[in-house]
Amino acid sequence: GEDVEQSLFLSVREGDSSVINCTYTDSSSTYLYWYKQEPGAGLQLLTYIFSNMDMKQDQRLTVLLNKKDKHLSLRIADTQTGDSAIYFCAERGYNKLIFGAGTRLAVHP
Amino acid sequence: DAEITQSPRHKITETGRQVTLACHQTWNHNNMFWYRQDLGHGLRLIHYSYGVHDTNKGEVSDGYSVSRSNTEDLPLTLESAASSQTSVYFCASSESTGNVLTFGAGSRLTVL
Repeated sequence: GEDVEQSLFLSVREGDSSVINCTYTDSSSTYLYWYKQEPGAGLQLLTYIFSNMDMKQDQRLTVLLNKKDKHLSLRIADTQTGDSAIYFCAERGYNKLIFGAGTRLAVHP
Repeated sequence: DAEITQSPRHKITETGRQVTLACHQTWNHNNMFWYRQDLGHGLRLIHYSYGVHDTNKGEVSDGYSVSRSNTEDLPLTLESAASSQTSVYFCASSESTGNVLTFGAGSRLTVL
């Protein structure tokens, strides 16, 4: 079946890099996503990667995909206090998205 | 600008009452989804629709129903609210390809 797992909490110092990890089970997933949820708000798409790619970079964000291990990671360079949020990994199942439980990123001075 | 709006944003109700959460999108998206968000579970899919008059059950559909009479709206109804349905509910929509979901701001429901 489809399942997405990620660690629930990550704490980093301001200015350091953050790495949020995710594993998924559906090897046929065509797209994998990272969404960001700020307090009291809905989810906003951060970035996504097509399954035939290994890496995607977008400004401070780097997504790495290891299809063999079904592992997805999100690296945020120079993490700022505004990056504090919950980050959701998701895989695309048949015409719908399957989400992980979310990783709460706390950025401290 | 196109948007997806949910109402009400906050609601408190009593066990056994019927509750309807509204979702309206102006993206002209064919696909619409309802998720609930609970601590430790992330987002779980309740119901979804691929177009007018189409509805499908998600992984946690018991106690919920939806209907799709037009492209813009997918209301979520709790026929007889239970305390276990206290949660934050998110509506989302996407184009037919389903590659990217756009989310509403959420509706927080408390069942006493």
